[in-house]
Amino acid sequence: GENVEQHPSTLSVQEGDSAVIKCTYSDSASNYFPWYKQELGKRPQLIIDIRSNVGEKKDQRIAVTLNKTAKHFSLHITETQPEDSAVYFCAASRNSGGYQKVTFGTGTKLQVIP
Amino acid sequence: DVKVTQSSRYLVKRTGEKVFLECVQDMDHENMFWYRQDPGLGLRLIYFSYDVKMKEKGDIPEGYSVSREKKERFSLILESASTNQTSMYLCACEGGHDEQYFGPGTRLTVT
Repeated sequence: GENVEQHPSTLSVQEGDSAVIKCTYSDSASNYFPWYKQELGKRPQLIIDIRSNVGEKKDQRIAVTLNKTAKHFSLHITETQPEDSAVYFCAASRNSGGYQKVTFGTGTKLQVIP
Repeated sequence: DVKVTQSSRYLVKRTGEKVFLECVQDMDHENMFWYRQDPGLGLRLIYFSYDVKMKEKGDIPEGYSVSREKKERFSLILESASTNQTSMYLCACEGGHDEQYFGPGTRLTVT
């Protein structure tokens, strides 16, 4: 089955600096790569996603890159703000007969220091 | 906005009790999922359902069962709760673009 590894497990940055979280996956059939943000005590919410036919996607201060050959994808947050502090999960997903079989990474706890 | 609700935010049960966790979604989505979330382990899939009365095992189904009698409702059942099932349980449904919408979670403690 799919295996998703996520690094680092914790990350502290100064406000205004950039943060990068990296994930690798093993199943070459995975074709959808979402990122979820989970604030303390709240549910995970989708913040950005990328499909296998795209190499990079950007939405304001967040961007995701995908390298299909190397089977890795990354989340980039620029100009970090205290409200970016949360746990971030990457995921790799493949179509499996009418539903998306999703495998999540183990999460990165991001702390933005004011 | 998709709304996914779970019956309880916090639950305390005794070892051996039968436990029901309920999840309801309001967007007529077919695919629904139950995960457990543990520190350092991320989200692990317990069971999922792709239609009424249809269910499939996920990666860690042992000790759990599920029920889907209506499209909007997906229940997770712990037949005989054990202390190693103390965890955060998250329900999710799959949206029209493959994304997942999560419920608020149920923190279950088994004593």
